[in-house]
Amino acid sequence: SQTIHQWPATLVQPVGSPLSLECTVEGTSNPNLYWYRQAAGRGLQLLFYSVGIGQISSEVPQNLSASRPQDRQFILSSKKLLLSDSGFYLCAWTPAANEKLFFGSGTQLSVL
Amino acid sequence: LAKTTQPISMDSYEGQEVNITCSHNNIATNDYITWYQQFPSQGPRFIIQGYKTKVTNEVASLFIPADRKSSTLSLPRVSLSDTAVYYCLVGDSHAAGNKLTFGGGTRVLVKP
Repeated sequence: SQTIHQWPATLVQPVGSPLSLECTVEGTSNPNLYWYRQAAGRGLQLLFYSVGIGQISSEVPQNLSASRPQDRQFILSSKKLLLSDSGFYLCAWTPAANEKLFFGSGTQLSVL
Repeated sequence: LAKTTQPISMDSYEGQEVNITCSHNNIATNDYITWYQQFPSQGPRFIIQGYKTKVTNEVASLFIPADRKSSTLSLPRVSLSDTAVYYCLVGDSHAAGNKLTFGGGTRVLVKP
């Protein structure tokens, strides 16, 4: 069966520090991968999506970047965090055949 | 990608049926309609998916009229544990760059 791993679960970082969040999917190949962010009490904002290795689409201009170095690995990064980067970050995947999303457990990021 | 509109919140009581309607006037021919449930500090969880008419599974029913410009998620006999945010998502992961963008969601509060 397929599983998605996302870590860390919580993270507290100072303003100006770098960020690296990792997501991996097991049990499938060539998944579509997504990064979402959720501010407290708000909806899900799509940040990045990827249909293949090295193929990244960005939805909104921001202080973040994403990379997909391997088929089932998706990384969210920042060189210098801002206070506004705080939020709940979720990685998700879909099989290439349909749009049923499977989410990771999320990372709660607090930038202080 | 079809934009969705849902009520911001709904209150209900245990044992009642809850119906949440999502408007998607610009739905495309290839778009499916998918509903997710999200509890605090967790990733959304798939509930049900449909293309037209009616779909039913062990937790919910999805009603889609012939013009597909709206859909209604029906939760029968809700319990306190059904208190969550419910999202309607319309999209085709094979088209438009595979964007899957969520709307604002409906916050459902089930009271005893």
